[in-house]
Amino acid sequence: QVNLLQSGAALVKPGASVKLSCKASGYTFTDYYIHWVKQSHGKSLEWIGYINPNSGYTNYNEKFKSKATLTVDKSTNTAYMELSRLTSEDSATYYCPLTTVGYYFDYWGQGVMVTVSS
Amino acid sequence: DIRMTQSPASLSASLGETVNIECLASEDIYSDLAWYQQKPGKSPQLLIYNANSLQNGVPSRFSGSGSGTQYSLKINSLQSEDVATYFCQQYNNYPRTFGGGTKLELK
Repeated sequence: QVNLLQSGAALVKPGASVKLSCKASGYTFTDYYIHWVKQSHGKSLEWIGYINPNSGYTNYNEKFKSKATLTVDKSTNTAYMELSRLTSEDSATYYCPLTTVGYYFDYWGQGVMVTVSS
Repeated sequence: DIRMTQSPASLSASLGETVNIECLASEDIYSDLAWYQQKPGKSPQLLIYNANSLQNGVPSRFSGSGSGTQYSLKINSLQSEDVATYFCQQYNNYPRTFGGGTKLELK
């Protein structure tokens, strides 16, 4: 069965960067796009972008183009999102959902909380 | 960007009651709409896709309808396990966008 296991919670200082991981299992890693979604505390969801694990092609929400960098490591079936120049606005829970059959998010990682604080 | 406006923002209902949640898109999204349920501390789970198709394993008391710019999620015979926040999301265009969420509580 499809499983997306995300890295543990992160506490990072303002101005620093953090790299989040999403390890996929239960399917062929290169078959489906991996997306990233941000949820600020108690608020709605924002789509950050996606990566095609087969080609490495990425598509970003304009809002996050200078904030997030998406990569994959096909040898370990892991997707990564690096967030740079962190501020308190980046404190949130980040999810990695998949689109498999259609263009909707049918599988989700458990989420990872990032706290930006000095 | 396509703006998704969800209403109400919060809702209180009794067990066994029927609940409706609305989602209005800022432009025609041609039924490219999904509904998700999120329980506290958990990731969102897909309920409905293509506006009215029930995801495998989702109870039949959940249903979706709508077209064009107006969509709705209906929960028949509300159960205690339905207490959650519900989000709509369009996938007709990039960037993908979500509604603001509807928090459903028991009365």
